[in-house]
Amino acid sequence: DTGVSQDPRHKITKRGQNVTFRCDPISEHNRLYWYRQTLGQGPEFLTYFQNEAQLEKSRLLSDRFSAERPKGSFSTLEIQRTEQGDSAMYLCASSSQGRGERGNEQFFGPGTRLTVL
Amino acid sequence: GENVEQHPSTLSVQEGDSAVIKCTYSDSASNYFPWYKQELGKRPQLIIDIRSNVGEKKDQRIAVTLNKTAKHFSLHITETQPEDSAVYFCAASLGGADGLTFGKGTHLIIQP
Repeated sequence: DTGVSQDPRHKITKRGQNVTFRCDPISEHNRLYWYRQTLGQGPEFLTYFQNEAQLEKSRLLSDRFSAERPKGSFSTLEIQRTEQGDSAMYLCASSSQGRGERGNEQFFGPGTRLTVL
Repeated sequence: GENVEQHPSTLSVQEGDSAVIKCTYSDSASNYFPWYKQELGKRPQLIIDIRSNVGEKKDQRIAVTLNKTAKHFSLHITETQPEDSAVYFCAASLGGADGLTFGKGTHLIIQP
């Protein structure tokens, strides 16, 4: 499968625990995005990387959220001290930097569904 | 920041008829407008997009129109089929290195 992959697909945790999700982008894509989607809503942009540089993080929901992409390939999203309100689908997307018709098209992974008890 | 409004929230059409979903955006600097289809429990799937240098784009049964002056864009699906049933999201961004701002979605129901 050459698409965007995410792991785990489902995560159940207790309130107060830390969780970490992983995203593997399409191999030739240098841009990687994280979104959160709650039931009945569109995805909500959280943060974005170009290669290993995190170029936008002001939209992260709180200081409990952090993301890394240390080698410019896969990325991780961590939520510390989880709260029940963090329960949602966490989606990752990737895109290339090309110009023209193909540039900036974002392709999504299957998501990680987080349930905080 | 950008704000995207999408209407209607639910749209029911007879199989074979056309469906139109409309979106407005607030930031005149936005220049990239994709549409995603999301089936229940699945990832959002890019179905068509348009950039601000064109007013219309078509791909088989789907088309998107953009009016930059009025800051609105629309998705048109012709000859609807049962497999078109899904939630459709419009989105906008500044293009380049920018996250997408999504509308709240339209649940499209194709009646047999």
